Amino acid sequence: ENVLTQSPAIMSASPGEKVTMTCRASSSVSSSYLHWYQQKSGASPKFWIYSTSNLASGVPARFSGSGSGTSYSLTISSVEAEDAATYYCQQYSGYPYTFGGGTKLEIK
Amino acid sequence: QVQLQQSGAELMKPGASVKISCKATGYTFSTYWMEWVKQRPGHGLEWIGEIFPGSGSTNYNEKFKGKATFTADPSSNTAYIQLSGLTSEDSAVYYCARERSGGFDCWGQGTLVTVSA
Repeated sequence: ENVLTQSPAIMSASPGEKVTMTCRASSSVSSSYLHWYQQKSGASPKFWIYSTSNLASGVPARFSGSGSGTSYSLTISSVEAEDAATYYCQQYSGYPYTFGGGTKLEIK
Repeated sequence: QVQLQQSGAELMKPGASVKISCKATGYTFSTYWMEWVKQRPGHGLEWIGEIFPGSGSTNYNEKFKGKATFTADPSSNTAYIQLSGLTSEDSAVYYCARERSGGFDCWGQGTLVTVSA
């Protein structure tokens, strides 16, 4: 099983700040199969960034993703209040699909 | 647009079984894998497994073999997950989600299962 470790577990940022969260895999993942989800409290996860760096429909351009191999990241160039959520990475490098433990982003 | 509508919350006794439905609209149901994901507070997201409605083929996370069973009815565009031998560890929100290119691009609203005597 390919274990995904996200860091930090919780982060706090002020509006306008740039933030970066990371996702590290125990084994290499094809960049085509590393995805990110946003989940707000009480809601379902939303497909957010797919195949490492492609924004899903409706995702603001202040979000970006990068990485390769075992190390991936999600960056928000200028955080806004609406970005408060938990972000999960997910991979497919063979069964089972796995998710990271999530990074909770709080807005000051 | 693509939508997945799940059945409502369930309160179950330990040892019982429960069946959750997920009705798909807005796309060709039979041609996409349907995924099932478990979420418990403090435990993040866990992949349970998947079913391909067009053929009935399934793949299960080893951890959930014997616990979960997937079925699908293409005539009603509905997928199901049955959970058996319920314990408190099965209390969670269960999601169905459509798979595309190794990711899950559309999710149901979730079904809360509570197991309590």
